[in-house]
Amino acid sequence: GENVEQHPSTLSVQEGDSAVIKCTYSDSASNYFPWYKQELGKRPQLIIDIRSNVGEKKDQRIAVTLNKTAKHFSLHITETQPEDSAVYFCAASRLGSARQLTFGSGTQLTVLP
Amino acid sequence: GAGVSQSPSNKVTEKGKDVELRCDPISGHTALYWYRQSLGQGLEFLIYFQGNSAPDKSGLPSDRFSAERTGGSVSTLTIQRTQQEDSAVYLCASRGQGEETQYFGPGTRLLVL
Repeated sequence: GENVEQHPSTLSVQEGDSAVIKCTYSDSASNYFPWYKQELGKRPQLIIDIRSNVGEKKDQRIAVTLNKTAKHFSLHITETQPEDSAVYFCAASRLGSARQLTFGSGTQLTVLP
Repeated sequence: GAGVSQSPSNKVTEKGKDVELRCDPISGHTALYWYRQSLGQGLEFLIYFQGNSAPDKSGLPSDRFSAERTGGSVSTLTIQRTQQEDSAVYLCASRGQGEETQYFGPGTRLLVL
């Protein structure tokens, strides 16, 4: 089955700096890669996703890049703000199948004021 | 509209007792998933329902775990003879037909003493 590795497990940045979280996946048939943000005690919420037919997607301060050959995708947050502090999870699944998500282990991002 | 809801929000039980966790998906969503999130870990897929099809139970960790979905809407996850290692947050998610995004509920925090 699919296996998703996520790094780093914790990340601290100064407000205004950029943050990058990286994930690798094992199943070359995976073609959908969402990122979820989970604030303490809250439900995971989708912040951005990418399909394998594109290499990059951007939404304001958030971007995701995908390298299908290397089976690697990354989340980039620019101009970080304290409210960006949360746990971020990457995930992978196959479009058109049951689409259960295989999650990475999460990254605790702390933005220091 | 209303999002995914789950009940109870917290459940404390004694080892060996049975528990039932409930999920109300977003109205009209045909796909429903259960995940388990252990402390400091990512989300682990448990079971998937799609319409009237047989559920995908491939993620259930043991035969003590079962789930049903009545009328294609509400789902109940049952854990029999609970063990301390069952302590976790149990999250439900639903997805609309033809959509990719899974919307999560707030979870049920289960503590087995």
